[in-house]
Amino acid sequence: GAVVSQHPSWVICKSGTSVKIECRSLDFQATTMFWYRQFPKQSLMLMATSNEGSKATYEQGVEKDKFLINHASLTLSTLTVTSAHPEDSSFYICSARSRQHEKLFFGSGTQLSVL
Amino acid sequence: GDSVTQMEGPVTLSEEAFLTINCTYTATGYPSLFWYVQYPGEGLQLLLKATKADDKGSNKGFEATYRKETTSFHLEKGSVQVSDSAVYFCALSATGGSARQLTFGSGTQLTVLP
Repeated sequence: GAVVSQHPSWVICKSGTSVKIECRSLDFQATTMFWYRQFPKQSLMLMATSNEGSKATYEQGVEKDKFLINHASLTLSTLTVTSAHPEDSSFYICSARSRQHEKLFFGSGTQLSVL
Repeated sequence: GDSVTQMEGPVTLSEEAFLTINCTYTATGYPSLFWYVQYPGEGLQLLLKATKADDKGSNKGFEATYRKETTSFHLEKGSVQVSDSAVYFCALSATGGSARQLTFGSGTQLTVLP
C-alpha cells in the first residue's frame, strides 16, 4: 500500500532554535498534505492544509509565521517550527492524500521536545 | 464545532479477551466515522469506516456500528491478540467540509498480554 515517510521520528532541541520535519509520499503523488499536532492526552488537532505549489491554509489559532509549511513538490512537504519554545513540545504528524484516491495516508509522527 | 470523545486509556487485556473502546461524537449533519490504528513505529492506518447511520464497518475481526441515536461508534473485537496492541483513534469527517479533513479523538492505547 501507499507509504508516507516522516522524519525525524523524534527530535530534541534547545529553546530558540528551528526544527524542520519532513513528510514524503514514497509511491504516490500527494496533491494535498495535512499537518496535525497532538498534546498529551488530547486529540490530534489539524494545524494546516497544504496543496502542492500554493500557500498552506492554517487553522484558527495556528501561527503561520511560527509553523512554516512548504509543499514544493508532489512528494514532499516540510513543517518548520521556528524559534521553538518548550510549549511547542508535542507530537506532530502528517498525512497525504493521493491524486487518484480519496484515501489518506499517515506518517509515523515526530515527537518534538524543546528544552 | 465537531468533536470526538473516546475512551481514555491505556487499556490492558489478556489475549482472547473481549474489547470495547467507546467513541462518541458531536457534529452537525451526517458525518462519516472512522477508526484508525497506529502500530508502534508506523503511521496511522484506516481500520474501518461507516458513512451512514446503522452502517457497520468491519476489518480484521474489529467491528463498529454507526449509531446516530446515541452519536456513537464504539469499536469492538470478540477475541484480541497480542498483535492488536496499538493506539486506536476514532475520527469523523464532516459533510460539506474539505474532503478528508478529519476530527480525531485523543487515542486509546491498547496492550494485549499473552
